[in-house]
Amino acid sequence: GQNIDQPTEMTATEGAIVQINCTYQTSGFNGLFWYQQHAGEAPTFLSYNVLDGLEEKGRFSSFLSRSKGYSYLLLKELQMKDSASYLCAVMDSNYQLIWGAGTKLIIKP
Amino acid sequence: ETGVTQTPRHLVMGMTNKKSLKCEQHLGHNAMYWYKQSAKKPLELMFVYSLEERVENNSVPSRFSPECPNSSHLFLHLHTLQPEDSALYLCASSQTPPGQGDIQYFGAGTRLSVL
Repeated sequence: GQNIDQPTEMTATEGAIVQINCTYQTSGFNGLFWYQQHAGEAPTFLSYNVLDGLEEKGRFSSFLSRSKGYSYLLLKELQMKDSASYLCAVMDSNYQLIWGAGTKLIIKP
Repeated sequence: ETGVTQTPRHLVMGMTNKKSLKCEQHLGHNAMYWYKQSAKKPLELMFVYSLEERVENNSVPSRFSPECPNSSHLFLHLHTLQPEDSALYLCASSQTPPGQGDIQYFGAGTRLSVL
């Protein structure tokens, strides 16, 4: 079966750095997505990785290792507004997104 | 302004009611999706429409009936639901039919409670 694993919840301090991990086992691979979802709001696209390596976008970076079936989202200089759920999703061989259950990130002052 | 609008935002219905969820996208996209999001569970893909034709139906009970009258609008018709159908229903759209690198854009969802 297809499976995406990510931690259920993480806590970090304002101004710090946090890394959210995602491991996957899917039928084929056509890229990995990270989305951010604030409570009661729409998931919004953060990043897409299809090749191995690190993609940086401002305070957010996403890393992919296809051989290990592993990705992480790195958030730097954390702000209170970063408190949200972070969803990892992999596009399989049928171009269907397989989703993780999300990681709820709590930022403390 | 959000590119994908869902109405209503909240809906409470009895098991014998019939209601419809509406989704409208203003992004000029050609594919639209319905997802179910339950607490602490992964998003479940329900239906996919590409160029107004249904291309995906992931074993969804017949009490959920989708309709896509044009590329900008998507409906989910509900009838004789069960309490376990209570969830957040999300609509999404993407520029092209599902393919590599295709980014999906989501609405804020309809929070459905079935009593």
